[in-house]
Amino acid sequence: QIQLVQSGPELKKPGESVKISCKASGYTFTDYAMHWVKQAPGKGLKWMGWINTYTGKPTYADDFKGRFVFSLEASASTANLQISNLKNEDTATYFCASEGVLLYWGQGVMVTVSS
Amino acid sequence: DIQMTQSPPSLSASLGDKVTITCQASQNINKYIAWYQQKPGKAPRQLIRYTSTLVSGTPSRFSGSGSGRDYSFSISNVESEDIASYYCLQYDNLYTFGAGTKLELK
Repeated sequence: QIQLVQSGPELKKPGESVKISCKASGYTFTDYAMHWVKQAPGKGLKWMGWINTYTGKPTYADDFKGRFVFSLEASASTANLQISNLKNEDTATYFCASEGVLLYWGQGVMVTVSS
Repeated sequence: DIQMTQSPPSLSASLGDKVTITCQASQNINKYIAWYQQKPGKAPRQLIRYTSTLVSGTPSRFSGSGSGRDYSFSISNVESEDIASYYCLQYDNLYTFGAGTKLELK
């Protein structure tokens, strides 16, 4: 069965960086796009962008241009999200979701940014 | 960018009720809308795609309809397991989630 398994929770200070991973199994990694979705505590879902797992080309939503980087380790069927220069407002759960209409989801990673 | 206006933000229902959630897009999205259910502490689960196509495993009490800019999602005969938040997602031009609707028991 298709599974997306994300890395564990992170506690970071403002200004630091964080890298979250999302390992896919149960399908050919390059068959489906990988999306990233942010959910701040008690808030709704926000689409951050997606990466073409075949070409490696990322597309970022407007609010996530600059400090956010999507990358792949295709040989390991893994997608990564790196956030640099962390701010308090980056505190959120970050989900990866694969397939064109975000059918398959990881369990989410809680990132806490606090001094 | 396409904006999605979802309403109501919250909904109170009794078991067995029918409830309806709406999403209005800022432009025609050509029926490219999906609906998700999210329970606390869990990842969202896709229920419906392309306006009205039920995803495998979605109970038939869930339904979707609409066209152009206006779409709706309904649950007939609400069950206790349906208590959750619901989100629409347009995928006609990039992707945009609605703000969500929290369904509670009356």
